[in-house]
Amino acid sequence: AQKVTQAQTEISVVEKEDVTLDCVYETRDTTYYLFWYKQPPSGELVFLIRRNSFDEQNEISGRYSWNFQKSTSSFNFTITASQVVDSAVYFCALTLGHSGSARQLTFGSGTQLTVLP
Amino acid sequence: DTGVSQDPRHKITKRGQNVTFRCDPISEHNRLYWYRQTLGQGPEFLTYFQNEAQLEKSRLLSDRFSAERPKGSFSTLEIQRTEQGDSAMYLCASSLAWPAATNEKLFFGSGTQLSVL
Repeated sequence: AQKVTQAQTEISVVEKEDVTLDCVYETRDTTYYLFWYKQPPSGELVFLIRRNSFDEQNEISGRYSWNFQKSTSSFNFTITASQVVDSAVYFCALTLGHSGSARQLTFGSGTQLTVLP
Repeated sequence: DTGVSQDPRHKITKRGQNVTFRCDPISEHNRLYWYRQTLGQGPEFLTYFQNEAQLEKSRLLSDRFSAERPKGSFSTLEIQRTEQGDSAMYLCASSLAWPAATNEKLFFGSGTQLSVL
């Protein structure tokens, strides 16, 4: 069975600081997809990124960047120059299979990020 | 695009009562998912539909739980004889995906918060 661990329960930073959210996963499958979702106080989860197990290139999208390392089974998420609006719970998730389907996502327990003004 | 809507937003019930939640997905989406999220945890997969067919069910979905999507549009999740352990946020998500799709993206609703007294 697969598992996703987000060891950081809560992180608090001051605006404009950089912050990295850690994600470690476990699976015996060689084909899988990893995701990050953001859950603001309103409750709906917002998709941020999907990465397949064969693509280890790091990705940058604006202030967001992701570091995927299969050797350590980690898929970490960095927010550069954090803003108050980044305050939310962030979830890392995993799904198995070739299709990249989001069926049966396995989520970590989430990291509550608070960005202080 | 009005997003995924769930009704009600909050439900308080007494142990032993039956409750029913409704989810209206994004109109053209063919897949619909139900997840459950307890406080401080990530969402857990319950079940999903492709059009009106219920294709997968988690072992978390006991026989007190039943989900339907009769016309391939909205879905209902019913819990019979509620227990205090059923208290959680019930999240619905939808997507437009095909069997060979590799870019499935889930859109989540804001959830129904159930409290069983």
